[in-house]
Amino acid sequence: QLQLQESGPGLVKPSETLSLTCTVSGGSISSSGYHWGWIRQPPGKGLEWIGGIFYTGSTYYNPSLKSRVTISVDTSKSQFSLRLTSATSADTAVYYCARPERYWGQGTLVTVSS
Amino acid sequence: QAVVTQEPSLTVSPGGTITLTCGSSAGPVTIGHYPYWFQQRPGQAPRTLIFDTGDKHSWTPARFSGSLLGDKAALTLSGAQPEDEADYYCLLSYNGVRVFGGGTKLTVL
Repeated sequence: QLQLQESGPGLVKPSETLSLTCTVSGGSISSSGYHWGWIRQPPGKGLEWIGGIFYTGSTYYNPSLKSRVTISVDTSKSQFSLRLTSATSADTAVYYCARPERYWGQGTLVTVSS
Repeated sequence: QAVVTQEPSLTVSPGGTITLTCGSSAGPVTIGHYPYWFQQRPGQAPRTLIFDTGDKHSWTPARFSGSLLGDKAALTLSGAQPEDEADYYCLLSYNGVRVFGGGTKLTVL
């Protein structure tokens, strides 16, 4: 049974980079056929897909965020990461990592504020 | 980027049947969009109910089913229970890029 856990700063200053890591335990992050994704949810709003990385290493990003987002994987640490540059208050949200067809992290609130 | 549409809110009576739909501005939804359905209760992370149009997990109550209905993906709830009151989101894949629908707030009343 896989478990996913997000980690990273809960407070980010405007214009700085938001960085989060998802640690996968209980199984292999290298399993073929799956994609690992980042999803966010602003307070009181719906889910937004940020991007994902496939077992092949290919990445796919939300076009509206693509210029600011990088998702990478470190298989040796069983982790995948999110970097979102030039953060603004609009990036304040609960951020989830997931293997969306089955597994979700519990989410972590990131607030962008000075 | 395609826009994925869901009913903003629906109400179902306990024991009743209701269908939530998921449409795409890019045309008919097909199995190639690999429709997913998620349930989210207040204060909780989403959980996956349905993947790849109609596949279920062991934790997916039998009263939920996924399908294609006309040009849309559909989530049908047969025999609604009070605990089914929640937000429901669909997710479609467009050649790797995923897009969520805006969500449906389901009330069991």
